[in-house]
Amino acid sequence: SQQGEEDPQALSIQEGENATMNCSYKTSINNLQWYRQNSGRGLVHLILIRSNEREKHSGRLRVTLDTSKKSSSLLITASRAADTASYFCATAARYGKLTFGQGTILTVHP
Amino acid sequence: EAGVAQSPRYKIIEKRQSVAFWCNPISGHATLYWYQQILGQGPKLLIQFQNNGVVDDSQLPKDRFSAERLKGVDSTLKIQPAKLEDSAVYLCASREVQGTQYFGPGTRLTVL
Repeated sequence: SQQGEEDPQALSIQEGENATMNCSYKTSINNLQWYRQNSGRGLVHLILIRSNEREKHSGRLRVTLDTSKKSSSLLITASRAADTASYFCATAARYGKLTFGQGTILTVHP
Repeated sequence: EAGVAQSPRYKIIEKRQSVAFWCNPISGHATLYWYQQILGQGPKLLIQFQNNGVVDDSQLPKDRFSAERLKGVDSTLKIQPAKLEDSAVYLCASREVQGTQYFGPGTRLTVL
């Protein structure tokens, strides 16, 4: 069963705007990860945040984690057309097993 | 560093036929995963290997799916016989003992 649920399911913005995607999960986790998937391609790892961390940055990406609310958010600042893709959150339990959400489809218009 | 390799990239078969997918993980990665991704959904773990041993195959439909990782390197995933609902992208991923998972490009299976 899918643990993570992303919100919104689809997001359409203009180049230069910020994009925010949310993820909620149900059980305890070791860490939470965000992946990007371009159409017809494999998944690319973006960022990992551990359960004892609250915020993490990587370039134009900012991830927050609230374990009390079992939720995370991914912020992409100053979006570009090349950011158009599906974004998935994945929760990691023991042995590194990842459970993915349904994903958010992001479209950035030039 | 070479990434995770998968073949074939695309496969079309009739229902009740058999099909096999191959995965070559990143060199030195002990852990290997097979995921099934149905269109519009996130990937779902089918099986996880640690070296050549199975760690988790709780979501693998064992009546028709099988997987092996001989010698703890390459892996094959087989479906026999295939059903219409098996149409999906099959993703292979690998990682070191601890670390992030690296995904291959996937094999897109269409069952007619």
